[in-house]
Amino acid sequence: EAGVAQSPRYKIIEKRQSVAFWCNPISGHATLYWYQQILGQGPKLLIQFQNNGVVDDSQLPKDRFSAERLKGVDSTLKIQPAKLEDSAVYLCASSLSGGSAGELFFGEGSRLTVL
Amino acid sequence: GQQLNQSPQSMFIQEGEDVSMNCTSSSIFNTWLWYKQDPGEGPVLLIALYKAGELTSNGRLTAQFGITRKDSFLNISASIPSDVGIYFCAGTPRGSARQLTFGSGTQLTVLP
Repeated sequence: EAGVAQSPRYKIIEKRQSVAFWCNPISGHATLYWYQQILGQGPKLLIQFQNNGVVDDSQLPKDRFSAERLKGVDSTLKIQPAKLEDSAVYLCASSLSGGSAGELFFGEGSRLTVL
Repeated sequence: GQQLNQSPQSMFIQEGEDVSMNCTSSSIFNTWLWYKQDPGEGPVLLIALYKAGELTSNGRLTAQFGITRKDSFLNISASIPSDVGIYFCAGTPRGSARQLTFGSGTQLTVLP
């Protein structure tokens, strides 16, 4: 079974530029998450989708971050404009809709460096 | 969001030694989970706990869901070099069943 796919693996941009990350969850997983992991910290939830609807985006900085999951499968996370403090690994995860709480499958992450 | 206090922050142990790490919260959690993250990879689930007092093993790993529902620990017995990595506790707070919160991690180094 294929895991969670993310791209790109690495991205370097200058501040005020924009960037987009893509995620393809495990087939059949209705719930998709984007986490931000700053170096030396645990992952922090940015947004959670159930199919193509947003379940929780309370920690998403909506002035610069946006995410969508139009067809309930793939998802894109965008940052515009980027700030230095956005340097982090952006992890996508998915889980079964009726699965046990907290049992997430993570992708390898997209590492963003903002100069 | 909910805060999870994980300790120790880092550990250096000799191969073959046992390891213990724990996680505490000021509020009640309905679920406790332990993940491991290798460099350049996403976290991988090791053990999930769903009931207060529950003790669960996965090979050399044993984890417990605290009776107060505000803490959990993870033990690794007879450590081996591939145990190196960052271990994260995570949990779903009461009243927020699907919102998974992570601790800050324990960096484990196993010396030969």
